[in-house]
Amino acid sequence: NAGVIQTPRHKVTGKGQEATLWCEPISGHSAVFWYRQTIVQGLEFLTYFRNQAPIDDSGMPKERFSAQMPNQSHSTLKIQSTQPQDSAVYLCASSLEDRDGAETLYFGSGTRLTVL
Amino acid sequence: GDSVTQMQGQVTLSEDDFLFINCTYSTTWYPTLFWYVQYPGEGPQLLLKVTTANNKGISRGFEATYDKGTTSFHLQKASVQESDSAVYYCVLGVYNQGKLIFGQGTKLSIKP
Repeated sequence: NAGVIQTPRHKVTGKGQEATLWCEPISGHSAVFWYRQTIVQGLEFLTYFRNQAPIDDSGMPKERFSAQMPNQSHSTLKIQSTQPQDSAVYLCASSLEDRDGAETLYFGSGTRLTVL
Repeated sequence: GDSVTQMQGQVTLSEDDFLFINCTYSTTWYPTLFWYVQYPGEGPQLLLKVTTANNKGISRGFEATYDKGTTSFHLQKASVQESDSAVYYCVLGVYNQGKLIFGQGTKLSIKP
């Protein structure tokens, strides 16, 4: 099992450009999560899908950020008009829902986004 | 709301020292508690998971115990090695709420 695959590993964009980040979850996992990691804020939840349906996007910035899961094998996080404050490591995770109702998340290695 | 607090931002030990990292949590729901570990250039990975059905977990020489009365959850290891150098996160999972809530992390540095 290859684990969660995130591409690209590194992305550099100019201010105002668009960035699309890709995630391939572990085969058979029913949920996909997106987190953002910075030194100042730590690990912040952004959004998650279960069985491809959006469930909770409470952590997503209201503007410029969107996430999709068009099929069970990949999810994308799109940031329009990137700003320097969007620079972070974006982490994707997938999970199987446990019988006790709590998720165990398996993370990819992340995409480091740098906005110049 | 649901939250996790780790007060120790950084811990520096020598090899074979005893490790103790504490965290406290707050939730009105049934908690599941995790310790995740993150090495440079990688995503966090599961180290231990403890549910309300038990109050202790053991993995790779690490032991985690939670106390419902004090809502504390600590991680310990009897003898650390240089390879244990990493960032350790205390994580709260809330029943049927999907997302996990991460603490601020504790960076463990081991002097050879």
